[in-house]
Amino acid sequence: AQTVTQSQPEMSVQEAETVTLSCTYDTSESDYYLFWYKQPPSRQMILVIRQEAYKQQNATENRFSVNFQKAAKSFSLKISDSQLGDAAMYFCAYRSASPSGTYKYIFGTGTRLKVLA
Amino acid sequence: DTGVSQDPRHKITKRGQNVTFRCDPISEHNRLYWYRQTLGQGPEFLTYFQNEAQLEKSRLLSDRFSAERPKGSFSTLEIQRTEQGDSAMYLCASSSGFLQVKARSYNSPLHFGNGTRLTVT
Repeated sequence: AQTVTQSQPEMSVQEAETVTLSCTYDTSESDYYLFWYKQPPSRQMILVIRQEAYKQQNATENRFSVNFQKAAKSFSLKISDSQLGDAAMYFCAYRSASPSGTYKYIFGTGTRLKVLA
Repeated sequence: DTGVSQDPRHKITKRGQNVTFRCDPISEHNRLYWYRQTLGQGPEFLTYFQNEAQLEKSRLLSDRFSAERPKGSFSTLEIQRTEQGDSAMYLCASSSGFLQVKARSYNSPLHFGNGTRLTVT
């Protein structure tokens, strides 16, 4: 069974600085998707960035980028130029891309990011 | 795109009562998911549907939980004989999925609703 682990329950970053959130996962599959979702306080969860395992190039979305290390099964999120609005819970998630695999998403336990003014 | 809507937003019930939650997904999405989230934890998978078919159900889900998606549109999640341990946020999410060329399973990103917060007293 696949698992997703986020070992940092909480992180803090100064406004305008850079922070990296860690995520590791375990799977025997070779083709899958990885995601970072953001959940602001009392608000709905939204997608931040996604990575397809067959792509070697790391995904980027404006100030958000990932460091995808497939062999190490590591998928970290880097937030550059942190803003107060980035404060939220961040969840790493995994989903199989195999046509015979399950379509469920497996989430980590989350990292609470605090942004200090 | 009106987003995923869930009703009610909050539900307080007494132990032993039955509760039902509703989720209306984004209209063109064929996949619908239910997750449960407790404070400080990540979403825990409950079940998902492709169209009207329930394709997977968590083994952690007791027989008190049942979900339906008649006609592949909205979905309901019912909890019978609620227990205090059922208190949580229940999240619904939807996406569209199909098999791409070369048989990769493509999925659009999950779109979440605001959730239904259940409190069992």
